[in-house]
Amino acid sequence: DTGVSQDPRHKITKRGQNVTFRCDPISEHNRLYWYRQTLGQGPEFLTYFQNEAQLEKSRLLSDRFSAERPKGSFSTLEIQRTEQGDSAMYLCASSLAKASGGQNEQFFGPGTRLTVL
Amino acid sequence: DQQVKQNSPSLSVQEGRISILNCDYTNSMFDYFLWYKKYPAEGPTFLISISSIKDKNEDGRFTVFLNKSAKHLSLHIVPSQPGDSAVYFCAATAGTYKYIFGTGTRLKVLA
Repeated sequence: DTGVSQDPRHKITKRGQNVTFRCDPISEHNRLYWYRQTLGQGPEFLTYFQNEAQLEKSRLLSDRFSAERPKGSFSTLEIQRTEQGDSAMYLCASSLAKASGGQNEQFFGPGTRLTVL
Repeated sequence: DQQVKQNSPSLSVQEGRISILNCDYTNSMFDYFLWYKKYPAEGPTFLISISSIKDKNEDGRFTVFLNKSAKHLSLHIVPSQPGDSAVYFCAATAGTYKYIFGTGTRLKVLA
């Protein structure tokens, strides 16, 4: 399977605990994105990497959230001191930025569903 | 501020008929639009896209129409099949990598 993979698929945690999610993008893709989706809403942009550089963070990404993409391959999203409002589906996507520019579709993984009790 | 709106939360269509899903946007800087399909327990799957320099793009049974003056786009599925039953999201971007998604329309194709 050469698509975007995410681990774990489901995570249940207690309020105040830290959680970490992993995303493995499509291997040749140099851009990686994190989105969050809550019930009845579309995905909301959280952050974006070009290779290993984190180039933008949404204001939705509070100080308790941190994302990394060491070596420009897989990425991790950590949430510290989780709150019940963090319960959501966390989606990772990747795309290939061409040197010639233009738009390239983002390909999404299956998501990690987080439930904070 | 919802920049991309899908005002119909659900739509039911008979198999073989046309499904029309609508999307409105407010940001005139958007220059690229996409439709994604989402099945339960899966991530969104890219379906079709259109640049703002075009008003129509077709791919098999799927056609996207863009009306820039009305800030409106629509997805036509002809003929509709039961396997098309899913949630459809439209998304838009303004020359960047950040997609702004609508809230989705749940399509149910009745056999």
